[in-house]
Amino acid sequence: AQSVTQLDSHVSVSEGTPVLLRCNYSSSYSPSLFWYVQHPNKGLQLLLKYTSAATLVKGINGFEAEFKKSETSFHLTKPSAHMSDAAEYFCVVSVENTGGFKTIFGAGTRLFVKA
Amino acid sequence: DTEVTQTPKHLVMGMTNKKSLKCEQHMGHRAMYWYKQKAKKPPELMFVYSYEKLSINESVPSRFSPECPNSSLLNLHLHALQPEDSALYLCASSQVEGARWNEQFFGPGTRLTVL
Repeated sequence: AQSVTQLDSHVSVSEGTPVLLRCNYSSSYSPSLFWYVQHPNKGLQLLLKYTSAATLVKGINGFEAEFKKSETSFHLTKPSAHMSDAAEYFCVVSVENTGGFKTIFGAGTRLFVKA
Repeated sequence: DTEVTQTPKHLVMGMTNKKSLKCEQHMGHRAMYWYKQKAKKPPELMFVYSYEKLSINESVPSRFSPECPNSSLLNLHLHALQPEDSALYLCASSQVEGARWNEQFFGPGTRLTVL
């Protein structure tokens, strides 16, 4: 079955320290992968996407993610957390389905940033 | 213009009311989506419109009735809702439906409360 798993439901970091949000996927084919961020009571905003051009993908607000096929992972990182990074993060995979591709959302990881 | 707009931002309705949610995009996207999101959960797909035709209905109860009057507009008509339908309703759009590199653009959502 094709799926996406976010390994942590909550992550807490101190401001200025690195952020790591983990995502593993299961797909029969080479997937396309996305990270979205959602601030409270807001819509989802695309942070970055993997489109097979490069395994290290840089996104907005200093985030980046590395596609590792051997580990079926697409972890999101940021060198230094900011208070404004506190939000919900969704790893999303686009997998092959009947007649096209289907979007599957991970369960989400809530990022807390302490002052 | 890379924005998806939704109105109203908040809606409170009784179980016998009829109301509508509205979504608009001017990016020339030909696929539009309705999602329902409960607290601390990822968005759940409800409907997909592709080239103004209903493409996917994820077994949504008939008290939710989508409509796509033109390529820029998407409505969700609500009637006889239940309290458990209270949620954040998100609209999204993408260039086309079912493409591998399908990046979706989300609106800010309508916070619906059913009394």
